[in-house]
Amino acid sequence: KAGVTQTPRYLIKTRGQQVTLSCSPISGHRSVSWYQQTPGQGLQFLFEYFSETQRNKGNFPGRFSGRQFSNSRSEMNVSTLELGDSALYLCASSLSRPTYEQYFGPGTRLTVT
Amino acid sequence: AQTVTQSQPEMSVQEAETVTLSCTYDTSESDYYLFWYKQPPSRQMILVIRQEAYKQQNATENRFSVNFQKAAKSFSLKISDSQLGDAAMYFCAYRSAGGEYGNKLVFGAGTILRVKS
Repeated sequence: KAGVTQTPRYLIKTRGQQVTLSCSPISGHRSVSWYQQTPGQGLQFLFEYFSETQRNKGNFPGRFSGRQFSNSRSEMNVSTLELGDSALYLCASSLSRPTYEQYFGPGTRLTVT
Repeated sequence: AQTVTQSQPEMSVQEAETVTLSCTYDTSESDYYLFWYKQPPSRQMILVIRQEAYKQQNATENRFSVNFQKAAKSFSLKISDSQLGDAAMYFCAYRSAGGEYGNKLVFGAGTILRVKS
């Protein structure tokens, strides 16, 4: 079974721009969660999508948004980029119930200059 | 809100020896799941071991075992017969069993494990 894939793997953007990151879950997984990883704040939960609906949201500003498509692929968007948005963005997919393991993708390294 | 604390930013262990990574958490819930994840320098996060809070028996996966103390809200990871491939960042994570939180994981700050040959 193919693992979780994330594209692009690396991205450099300028302050004020917007960016879209993509995550393709493992086949059959309907839940996709996004996390931001930075040296200062560690791993923080952004949001989770399940069956095209946002099921849970972390404490991030409205500039961070996401969506999920009918094939369970998910995208997250960050508008009006700030230097502090530089981070590794990880997505994780799983089956729906909490008993199931989450599988992480390799991440997208976003650098904002 | 739940919090997870890993008080050891870095740990070192000699190859073939045993090391224990510490984790404490805070929650008012009685039903939850605890995890140890490993993130090698290549960045792909993988699950090492999982513990269900309702199970008293400590989880074990080959050389990895946990010491789960529910009353003390402690969840340490023991790695036996350490290998060079164990070198990584280790994260302790909490997930509520309640449906309202979905699959949200709350992570600790992580512990860098170095393995010396």
